[in-house]
Amino acid sequence: QVQLVQSGAEVKKPGASVKVSCKASGYTFIGYYMHWVRQAPGQGLEWMGWINPNSGVTNYAQKFQGRVTMTRDTFISTVYMELSRLRSDDTAVYYCAREVSLDTAMGAFDYWGQGTLVTVSS
Amino acid sequence: QSVLTQPPSVSAAPGQKVTISCSGSSSNIGNNYVSWYQQLPGTAPKLLIYDNNKRPSGIPDRFSGSKSGTSATLGITGLQTGDEADYYCGTWDSSLSAGHVVFGGGTKLTVL
Repeated sequence: QVQLVQSGAEVKKPGASVKVSCKASGYTFIGYYMHWVRQAPGQGLEWMGWINPNSGVTNYAQKFQGRVTMTRDTFISTVYMELSRLRSDDTAVYYCAREVSLDTAMGAFDYWGQGTLVTVSS
Repeated sequence: QSVLTQPPSVSAAPGQKVTISCSGSSSNIGNNYVSWYQQLPGTAPKLLIYDNNKRPSGIPDRFSGSKSGTSATLGITGLQTGDEADYYCGTWDSSLSAGHVVFGGGTKLTVL
């Protein structure tokens, strides 16, 4: 069965960076784009970008350009999301989410990680 | 402020039907597929509908989706207390060169 397992909760100081991992299993890793979506406490969903695990090509939301980096390691079927220059309003649960369509990005997500809480506080 | 507009809350009695609307524009809903997600408290979102009206395996046919122009609708029939959750619509938006995903602000469903 498809599973996305994310790394554990993080507490960071303002200005620091955080790197969240998402290990995929149960399907052909390089066949499906992976997206990152975050959710601030009590708020809605916010898309951050996607990575094509096959090519490594990325597409970031304009809001996060210059602060976010998405990478992958095909040998261990894992994608990473690193967010730098953290601010207090980056406090949120960060999810990885698999694209529903094979080999394309259509913006629909059929499997989600369990979420990683990132708390930014001095 | 979300790009897609959803009502903040809807409510209905058990066994009844409810609809949740999602309004956008030609750069998003008007020219792209819509998906719908259910988020129970403290859990990750779950895909209910994709490509406007397709259900992933395991999603009961009590859940349905439709799209007309720049609006989409999620319908839920035979409401159960377990359907109490937040519901989000999402779609691709082509307004920027690379395209991006946008979501509605979410609708809280209360089953009275």
